[in-house]
Amino acid sequence: KQEVTQIPAALSVPEGENLVLNCSFTDSAIYNLQWFRQDPGKGLTSLLLIQSSQREQTSGRLNASLDKSSGRSTLYIAASQPGDSATYLCAVKEDNDMRFGAGTRLTVKP
Amino acid sequence: DGGITQSPKYLFRKEGQNVTLSCEQNLNHDAMYWYRQDPGQGLRLIYYSQIVNDFQKGDIAEGYSVSREKKESFPLTVTSAQKNPTAFYLCASRPSAGRNNSPLHFGNGTRLTVT
Repeated sequence: KQEVTQIPAALSVPEGENLVLNCSFTDSAIYNLQWFRQDPGKGLTSLLLIQSSQREQTSGRLNASLDKSSGRSTLYIAASQPGDSATYLCAVKEDNDMRFGAGTRLTVKP
Repeated sequence: DGGITQSPKYLFRKEGQNVTLSCEQNLNHDAMYWYRQDPGQGLRLIYYSQIVNDFQKGDIAEGYSVSREKKESFPLTVTSAQKNPTAFYLCASRPSAGRNNSPLHFGNGTRLTVT
């Protein structure tokens, strides 16, 4: 059964710092990987989706990479801002479902 | 604006009562999903529906029921048989369950508290 792990569970950085969030998965037979942002008490907002045939996707200050063979994805956030504070979740798409990690709670301090 | 609407945002019920959570989407999506989120855990799939009048159990379907009579609506009933119903419930959709290149869209969730 697919397991998705995100380490660390929480991360605190000063404003302006570049940072990397990690996501690992145990079964490389995935269709795609999606990164989400979740603010407290809210639903999930899609940030980036990487197809299994792709290596990376970029949107503004965000860059997500995918290495299927090693079961890893990273989300790079450049020049972090206090507004980036949220929980970031990754999820991998299998046949009929997506498997989610528990998320990394990011705090960016002014 | 297209999106997924979940209501209510907060719901309080006494133990032993059934309760129904609403999920409506105007994205014309075929596939709809219900997830449960608990602190420190990833989202877990309760039920999903790929087309109208069809739905499948997810990993934790026990104590829950759904219906899909209309494309835009996928209500979830939490029954008294669910042993630990207090959680944050999220509804999601995508254009088609078979389209692997399409992102999943989420509503804003319903927080259910059962005492």
